[in-house]
Amino acid sequence: NAGVMQNPRHLVRRRGQEARLRCSPMKGHSHVYWYRQLPEEGLKFMVYLQKENIIDESGMPKERFSAEFPKEGPSILRIQQVVRGDSAAYFCASSPPNKGQRSYGYTFGSGTRLTVV
Amino acid sequence: SQQGEEDPQALSIQEGENATMNCSYKTSINNLQWYRQNSGRGLVHLILIRSNEREKHSGRLRVTLDTSKKSSSLLITASRAADTASYFCATVPSGAGSYQLTFGKGTKLSVIP
Repeated sequence: NAGVMQNPRHLVRRRGQEARLRCSPMKGHSHVYWYRQLPEEGLKFMVYLQKENIIDESGMPKERFSAEFPKEGPSILRIQQVVRGDSAAYFCASSPPNKGQRSYGYTFGSGTRLTVV
Repeated sequence: SQQGEEDPQALSIQEGENATMNCSYKTSINNLQWYRQNSGRGLVHLILIRSNEREKHSGRLRVTLDTSKKSSSLLITASRAADTASYFCATVPSGAGSYQLTFGKGTKLSVIP
């Protein structure tokens, strides 16, 4: 089991460009959660997706940010027209279906560190 | 204010000593979790304690939870240089949105060989 895989590990974008971050959940997991970590801060929830469904995007900025988790392939977090304030580490976690999300720990990927120059 | 505030922000100890980190939170929780993050890496889940539990052990880790004080502590006994990392507590709320982890800012632990 390869765990939660994120790529790229590091991403540098100029202001105004688009950033696409990918997350492949653990085998058998169909729920994905994206978190953002600003420097010297804890992680902040962004969005929760199941296959082909956005369940909760309450933590995601309304503009420029979007997320998807298609039937096939990884989950994608897309940031359009990036600004310096988007520089952060973006982590995803996954969980299996029909499992009480309440009472077990999450497996996180190693993250994508986005730098906007 | 932020849920899950850790204290202290930074802690430096000698190898072999015990390290204690504290976490306070504000709302009702279903469970509280502790994670470790090595510099520049992802988070590793250490231990989860449910709201109806008071203490839990895992190897050299001991976690306590006091729901009346809305606080938790993580004790690492006989610390090693490899324990050097940032430690975060994260709460899962009771009720709706119970999949969301709310993290504190973390305690940066340095274990000096």
